[in-house]
Amino acid sequence: DVKVTQSSRYLVKRTGEKVFLECVQDMDHENMFWYRQDPGLGLRLIYFSYDVKMKEKGDIPEGYSVSREKKERFSLILESASTNQTSMYLCASSRVEGANVLTFGAGSRLTVL
Amino acid sequence: EDQVTQSPEALRLQEGESSSLNCSYTVSGLRGLFWYRQDPGKGPEFLFTLYSAGEEKEKERLKATLTKKESFLHITAPKPEDSATYLCAVPTDRDDKIIFGKGTRLHILP
Repeated sequence: DVKVTQSSRYLVKRTGEKVFLECVQDMDHENMFWYRQDPGLGLRLIYFSYDVKMKEKGDIPEGYSVSREKKERFSLILESASTNQTSMYLCASSRVEGANVLTFGAGSRLTVL
Repeated sequence: EDQVTQSPEALRLQEGESSSLNCSYTVSGLRGLFWYRQDPGKGPEFLFTLYSAGEEKEKERLKATLTKKESFLHITAPKPEDSATYLCAVPTDRDDKIIFGKGTRLHILP
């Protein structure tokens, strides 16, 4: 069964801490995405990547960075966590020729105190 | 501006009571419309892709249809296990970003 695996389901961090959210996919997908999901706001795109070492800003990149050193791994980094980054973070991947069908991970719920 | 709007925000139905969810979009050159299902605490799961007006797709009690401006997800004789949030998404015109609607929370009462 193909999968997108997010390393942490629940995290609690303090304001100012550096946070790493890891995502690994085993489908050899070229494209990978990070979304955050908040009540009333839906899914919003933070960053995406079409290839190793490549990254593109989504709609809300401020306060975040990403890293894609290997094709299967896409990391989201919060350099200095703030309370307004408390959210559900969802990683997804897709094939270039996959008609944009996304396969999502189970999500990482981050609470910043 | 590219936009996806879903209605209603929430819907409560009795088991067996059929209804429809709506997704309207404003991207000018549609390159597919996607429906996903999301259970609480989980990531969305892909249901359907529709590409052209008049197209229909079915899966169990769900049927998705597409017109030039909107899509409907019809739920026939739903069961409690159909309770979930249903999300609609489209790729934008400018790039391959995929934008989502805010979803419809569906609750089927036994």
